[in-house]
Amino acid sequence: KAGVTQTPRYLIKTRGQQVTLSCSPISGHRSVSWYQQTPGQGLQFLFEYFSETQRNKGNFPGRFSGRQFSNSRSEMNVSTLELGDSALYLCASSPEPGREAFFGQGTRLTVV
Amino acid sequence: KNEVEQSPQNLTAQEGEFITINCSYSVGISALHWLQQHPGGGIVSLFMLSSGKKKHGRLIATINIQEKHSSLHITASHPRDSAVYICAASLNQFYFGTGTSLTVIP
Repeated sequence: KAGVTQTPRYLIKTRGQQVTLSCSPISGHRSVSWYQQTPGQGLQFLFEYFSETQRNKGNFPGRFSGRQFSNSRSEMNVSTLELGDSALYLCASSPEPGREAFFGQGTRLTVV
Repeated sequence: KNEVEQSPQNLTAQEGEFITINCSYSVGISALHWLQQHPGGGIVSLFMLSSGKKKHGRLIATINIQEKHSSLHITASHPRDSAVYICAASLNQFYFGTGTSLTVIP
């Protein structure tokens, strides 16, 4: 069974640009959540999707958005990139909310 | 104030030692998770606990709901256990501890 797949693995963007990251969950998993990890703030919850609906959102500005498709794949978008958005972005999938989550390898975003 | 506090922040052990990492949380939870992160970023979920104790191989996780405290134990530690261990409390979202960086020396 394939694990959680995140693409791309590495990304370099310029300040002011926007970026879209992709997460393909484990087959059969309908819940996808996103996290940001930085050296200063550690891991922080961004948002969670279940059956194409956003269930919860962390304390991030509106520049951070996401969506989930009918096949449970999810994308997150960050607009007007800032240097502080440089981080490892992780997604995790689970069969449904509250069940054990499985993490992807992450996308390392560098904003220059 | 962090909703989840972990200790110690850093830990160095000799191979074979028994290791304990502690986690205290202040929020109501549906589950408590222990995660392992190796250099390079990949995170593995080790345990998801809502009560009692779980064991996988040399790893044991316990939780005391009344005291809002969980511990992760590693018996007979090995250099391959070297990683960052993260405690996370979940309710409607995850609240993460800052992690414990473990180094096991041969």
